Amino acid sequence: LAKTTQPISMDSYEGQEVNITCSHNNIATNDYITWYQQFPSQGPRFIIQGYKTKVTNEVASLFIPADRKSSTLSLPRVSLSDTAVYYCLVGANTGFQKLVFGTGTRLLVSP
Amino acid sequence: SAVISQKPSRDICQRGTSLTIQCQVDSQVTMMFWYRQQPGQSLTLIATANQGSEATYESGFVIDKFPISRPNLTFSTLTVSNMSPEDSSIYLCSVQGTGIHEQYFGPGTRLTVT
Repeated sequence: LAKTTQPISMDSYEGQEVNITCSHNNIATNDYITWYQQFPSQGPRFIIQGYKTKVTNEVASLFIPADRKSSTLSLPRVSLSDTAVYYCLVGANTGFQKLVFGTGTRLLVSP
Repeated sequence: SAVISQKPSRDICQRGTSLTIQCQVDSQVTMMFWYRQQPGQSLTLIATANQGSEATYESGFVIDKFPISRPNLTFSTLTVSNMSPEDSSIYLCSVQGTGIHEQYFGPGTRLTVT
């Protein structure tokens, strides 16, 4: 499993776009990049996953450059309810791979 | 997606006692997982529980301390035995989803040991 590095915390204001970058320099060819979101007093929630280029869903966008050594989770126009911890995970798509959560990024959105 | 419930949602226990946490899923699933999240920290996998087989424990976790049952495809229990204040944590169960590295988590059980 590739080790990941994220900022410990980020601050933003309502309506802004937030970009959280995750470094994974040792990512392997068959590794996927997955992001989870954890609200206070809740379990983590899967939000997005990608292998390369760009993935977008109703919650977020995930940008992965060609070398795949990093990825950026983009949250458009955040609201107070986006205050959460965001975890970046990297692992292979071959068979069962247990989830290894890093420290995550604590995002605080203020009015 | 799967809906997961846990009981109890929280408890305060005395040191030396044991607590059993229940995890119920609204659909049949093969793999269930138990995690621990210490205050302000990230999640750590305790064990993987497949129905019909012994749970597989991660390094640092042993069956005598955290016995797990998996009697059917919708239910599992985790017991925290002979508790000490260091066991104060949130304990979460999860199930494997359909996608790669996709898991659905329960709301957690907040345990405080005094």
